[in-house]
Amino acid sequence: DTGVSQDPRHKITKRGQNVTFRCDPISEHNRLYWYRQTLGQGPEFLTYFQNEAQLEKSRLLSDRFSAERPKGSFSTLEIQRTEQGDSAMYLCASSRTGGNEKLFFGSGTQLSVL
Amino acid sequence: AQSVAQPEDQVNVAEGNPLTVKCTYSVSGNPYLFWYVQYPNRGLQFLLKYITGDNLVKGSYGFEAEFNKSQTSFHLKKPSALVSDSALYFCAVRDMAALIFGKGTTLSVSS
Repeated sequence: DTGVSQDPRHKITKRGQNVTFRCDPISEHNRLYWYRQTLGQGPEFLTYFQNEAQLEKSRLLSDRFSAERPKGSFSTLEIQRTEQGDSAMYLCASSRTGGNEKLFFGSGTQLSVL
Repeated sequence: AQSVAQPEDQVNVAEGNPLTVKCTYSVSGNPYLFWYVQYPNRGLQFLLKYITGDNLVKGSYGFEAEFNKSQTSFHLKKPSALVSDSALYFCAVRDMAALIFGKGTTLSVSS
């Protein structure tokens, strides 16, 4: 396994700007997850894909958040009109199909909104 | 809704001593429980999982966890702690396709 890759590692933006993060999962994994982690908290589930289908998105934090996985490979998470409260670590994970499979996490993208 | 609780923000142990990191769960139905570890500047890593079967689950790096249905607990244990075990530990429960994580417990092992 080459591991889950996230880009960028750090992103600093001004309030009101749009940001997009990319995640490249492990190649043979067809499930991809996005989580958000704030200081002192555990990862908070946002959304997940099976192949290119987004099967759960009700936990996205607001309609400013959206995610895509157009060809069932890499995924992007976009936050529009960023707010200071969006500052957090955004984590991506992937797994094979099956809810009991272990998740492989990337190192995350640290977002700071000024 | 499924949830887990980690009652301790920090656990301190001396190297060579046994360690326990506590987790309790609240679920409807059968629990699918996990432990993950997060080292500084690295992604979360899977340690072990309980799905069904033996209440004592063995995982990576010498860790094990004991599932206790009557106490709704899933404590992480290791017989002899190492300084290199110092990290942030998360308990998690499966909720549909997602994992719901606890707040985490910082384990500090002193030499």
